Amino acid sequence: QLQLQESGPGLVKPSETLSLTCTVSGDSISSSSYYWGWIRQPPGKGLEWIGSIYYSGSTYYNPSLKSRVTISVDTSKNQFSLKLSSVTAADTAVYYCARHRGQQLVTFDYWGQGTLVTASS
Amino acid sequence: EIVLTQSPGTLSLSPGERATLSCRASQSVSSSFLAWFQQKPGQAPRLLIYGASSRATGIPDRFSGSGSGTDFTLTISRLEPEDFAVYYCQHYGSSPPRLTFGGGTRVEIK
Repeated sequence: QLQLQESGPGLVKPSETLSLTCTVSGDSISSSSYYWGWIRQPPGKGLEWIGSIYYSGSTYYNPSLKSRVTISVDTSKNQFSLKLSSVTAADTAVYYCARHRGQQLVTFDYWGQGTLVTASS
Repeated sequence: EIVLTQSPGTLSLSPGERATLSCRASQSVSSSFLAWFQQKPGQAPRLLIYGASSRATGIPDRFSGSGSGTDFTLTISRLEPEDFAVYYCQHYGSSPPRLTFGGGTRVEIK
């Protein structure tokens, strides 16, 4: 059974960089030819796609966040990561990692449980 | 940029009733790229429907999706207690690649 688990600091100071890692178990990122993504949800609000990465390293970002986002993959650790720079209070959200369904970018079929990141001094 | 508008914002129904949720796109989209999710409090979203009408693995057949062009519908034929949740539609646009979500519809117990 595929499982995804987000990890990283729960508190980030404004203007600093948010860093999260998603560890995948139950499948190999490098051998499965899937896309992997990050989605966030501010408290009490809706879902926002942040960006996605192919196992080979190709990346796709939400244009509204592109200037601040970097997504990378470490196949040796079966992990992929998110960095969001220059955070403000508006970046406070639950951050989810997820796998895209069917080896396409279209939608997501497996999600992590999510991790709350608060941007505050 | 495609904007997805979901209605109503909140749907108050009783168990056993039929729920009809709407998702309207700001321009015509391919039904292949329209999905629906269910989210319960404190949980990650769960994929219900992909390709506008195909149920994801393990999804009960009381959930069905339909629509084309700009108008899409998620129908829950008979609400079970565990179906009270927030539902989101989601679209994938390919040029450039971009995923967008609707604002959500809350289905609450009447």
